[in-house]
Amino acid sequence: GAVVSQHPSRVICKSGTSVKIECRSLDFQATTMFWYRQFPKQSLMLMATSNEGSKATYEQGVEKDKFLINHASLTLSTLTVTSAHPEDSSFYICSAGRGRWVTEAFFGQGTRLTVV
Amino acid sequence: SQQGEEDPQALSIQEGENATMNCSYKTSINNLQWYRQNSGRGLVHLILIRSNEREKHSGRLRVTLDTSKKSSSLLITASRAADTASYFCATDEGSGGGADGLTFGKGTHLIIQP
Repeated sequence: GAVVSQHPSRVICKSGTSVKIECRSLDFQATTMFWYRQFPKQSLMLMATSNEGSKATYEQGVEKDKFLINHASLTLSTLTVTSAHPEDSSFYICSAGRGRWVTEAFFGQGTRLTVV
Repeated sequence: SQQGEEDPQALSIQEGENATMNCSYKTSINNLQWYRQNSGRGLVHLILIRSNEREKHSGRLRVTLDTSKKSSSLLITASRAADTASYFCATDEGSGGGADGLTFGKGTHLIIQP
């Protein structure tokens, strides 16, 4: 099966600093990557959709200047949480889609972000 | 965007019994997917059922889809302790020709008692 690697799995940072999360598709080219956020005991919420070489499309209510997404290549997308605050603490998960039609989504392992 | 809703929110059964989880949604979909999430881990795709399909099997999993009622069910037969996890349904509302994100429900937390 397709493998998506997300790094780091856990990160603790201080308020005001920035954190970068990487999402890599290891054995396929991901034309589209999705970033989700999950609050404790809640469902995943789609934050943004990124296509290789173009600007990410953010969901309503998601601050694009705070959650910077870069999809520079077909195998790598990054999410940078800028000027992190404690309320940004959450579980972030990326998923990658193969091809133009997303019939399956392959997920990374997720990143637990704690802002202190 | 729509959001699938699973019920029950939590389910505890004895090992060996069957577990049934339901999911409802509100708008037209291309397909519906079920995912499993072990505590603190990423989601794992279990099964996908397309809007023109009514039932699908994969090992001990059976998924049904009723588009007239906008609902789906996931049945796990002969449950095992290792099936303990949260199960999410996700709908693909994409209009086709594009890659849309999935919309997830709140999930059902399944506990299998040994």
